[in-house]
Amino acid sequence: GAGVSQSPRYKVAKRGQDVALRCDPISGHVSLFWYQQALGQGPEFLTYFQNEAQLDKSGLPSDRFFAERPEGSVSTLKIQRTQQEDSAVYLCASSSTGVSYEQYFGPGTRLTVT
Amino acid sequence: AQSVTQLGSHVSVSEGALVLLRCNYSSSVPPYLFWYVQYPNQGLQLLLKYTSAATLVKGINGFEAEFKKSETSFHLTKPSAHMSDAAEYFCAVTLRAAGNKLTFGGGTRVLVKP
Repeated sequence: GAGVSQSPRYKVAKRGQDVALRCDPISGHVSLFWYQQALGQGPEFLTYFQNEAQLDKSGLPSDRFFAERPEGSVSTLKIQRTQQEDSAVYLCASSSTGVSYEQYFGPGTRLTVT
Repeated sequence: AQSVTQLGSHVSVSEGALVLLRCNYSSSVPPYLFWYVQYPNQGLQLLLKYTSAATLVKGINGFEAEFKKSETSFHLTKPSAHMSDAAEYFCAVTLRAAGNKLTFGGGTRVLVKP
């Protein structure tokens, strides 16, 4: 079956612009996670949804970052007033149950802020 | 809280030689542990996971890892490296609770020499 998909795969934004990154999880997966991967580093947790509820947003670096999953499937990560330090790969992962012992990752969106 | 340390950001091995990637973790409670592989411009692919069953875990592509509680380690090995093993490898830990995020190490890039 289809895996996790993300769009766009690449995004270039000028500093100060708003961006929206989309994640389509595996059909039926309850849990959805967003991670940020800076160049040369491991992914870092941003936020977690169980169905449509955002249960953990402790990793969001500032109030410019906002995520939603209104119908419990597709999720959007929005970054307002982008800064150069936001340049990174944004990874989405989904899991079939509430226990995240196996997460399936999408290919990521590479965001470059110029 | 949990953390992961991967010793060695780069490892170079000859084709056919042993691959050994080191991972040490810190966790206040018994963890779940994972190894993921990332090929260029792709997402993370699960190699194997430890979820409290056998301490020696076998994964895909001939990789295996051993959970050693006394050493708080989860090192990844493969007896004979193949050119296709050239990639970046990430060790990750999560707590055994619903919806818990993965905490990743910094990654180890593997170069395979012919």
